[in-house]
Order: sequence, then C-alpha cells, then structure tokens
Amino acid sequence: GAVVSQHPSWVICKSGTSVKIECRSLDFQATTMFWYRQFPKQSLMLMATSNEGSKATYEQGVEKDKFLINHASLTLSTLTVTSAHPEDSSFYICSALRTGRNQPQHFGDGTRLSIL
Amino acid sequence: AQSVTQLDSQVPVFEEAPVELRCNYSSSVSVYLFWYVQYPNQGLQLLLKYLSGSTLVKGINGFEAEFNKSQTSFHLRKPSVHISDTAEYFCAVSVIQGAQKLVFGQGTRLTINP
Repeated sequence: GAVVSQHPSWVICKSGTSVKIECRSLDFQATTMFWYRQFPKQSLMLMATSNEGSKATYEQGVEKDKFLINHASLTLSTLTVTSAHPEDSSFYICSALRTGRNQPQHFGDGTRLSIL
Repeated sequence: AQSVTQLDSQVPVFEEAPVELRCNYSSSVSVYLFWYVQYPNQGLQLLLKYLSGSTLVKGINGFEAEFNKSQTSFHLRKPSVHISDTAEYFCAVSVIQGAQKLVFGQGTRLTINP
C-alpha cells in the first residue's frame, strides 16, 4: 500500500517551455502533498506544501509564479514549471501524506527535468 | 528551526560487514525522526521511523536505529550489509506539532564493496 505515482519520470524540453509534473496517490487519499527539488549529489529541498482545495504554501526563496502548484483532488497534485530555463533543470520529487495521525510521507519516484 | 547533520558524506564498507550511518539533529521542540533510502534516479523509501516509545526502532531490510535524546542522535545500523544496500541514505526530522514538513540531512552515500 501507500503508492505514489509521479509522471513523467523524465522530460527534456526547450528553454521557454512550460512543463507539468503530476503526483498521484494511487491507493490512499492525501490531503497534503509536498514538492521537493534535488540537485545532483545533494539533499532534498522542500519547495512547497500542497493542500487539497487551498493555495499552496511556498518555502522562502521559491517563486510561486514560476512553480505553479494545483491540488484539485485528494489524489492529485500538479507542479507546473512555467517558462523553464536551464537553471530549472533538476530532479523534482513529490510526496503524499496519508490522512491520519503520525503518518509518514510516501514519495514518488521523481521527475528528471532537463531544459536545453 | 530544525536542522539535521549527517556526519559522513560517504561510507564504504565490505559486503557482510556491519555499518553505522550517523545522524544528529537540532531542535528546540520535540520531533519525529526518520531514515529514508534513495536508489539511483528514484524517490525515497522509508526505512524506519521513531515516533515515541522504545528508543530502538527496527525497519525494513534488516536496518535498525536508536534514538538518543541526550545526544540528539538517531544513528542507523545494520549488522551485515549486502551489495544491494548500496544507495543514498537520508536522515530527516519533522516537528510533532506542525505541518509535518520534513527537514533532511545532507545524505550519506553507502557503497558496499565485494
């Protein structure tokens, strides 16, 4: 149980393109989802907390107009990187928090984004 | 604010040898503690967590960790490692009363040599 699917797993696109990444909890409902960014050989940095039915909460230094987050249902959150540039190239990982007390975050397999 | 320090960026060990990956944390409030494993080009998989109770926590794949409140540590151990344990390991904390955001350590690259 507790499977989180992230799609696409890899995307390569031209500079200026907008890219949408989906994060789905397949077998549980997730009121809260998180979006992380990971640079090569580094740790995960939290970008934003996505709450179903409300606006996402962004961490300091993360541009909300650049990284649009939508959490329209209890099983789906999307991250759209708008007008992507090479410096946005990274590994993006989502996680979902099962509703309930003391539940751990369950992670997707990540999306490798390469902007040419 | 919380912070997590993983003292070793890389740990090479021989197959079937024991291993300990060190983790220290800093927090002014009570926290939950986690260890996650990341295989290449994948997300994170939960190895184990400490919420309360017994300070010795057993997880998947033969790993265990011990919470030491006085030393603010949560070191991960395995008595005998396998080639398949080669991966990146992350220690993380989250505040008990809060939005359940995770703060990660820098990660430790565990390499198992035959």
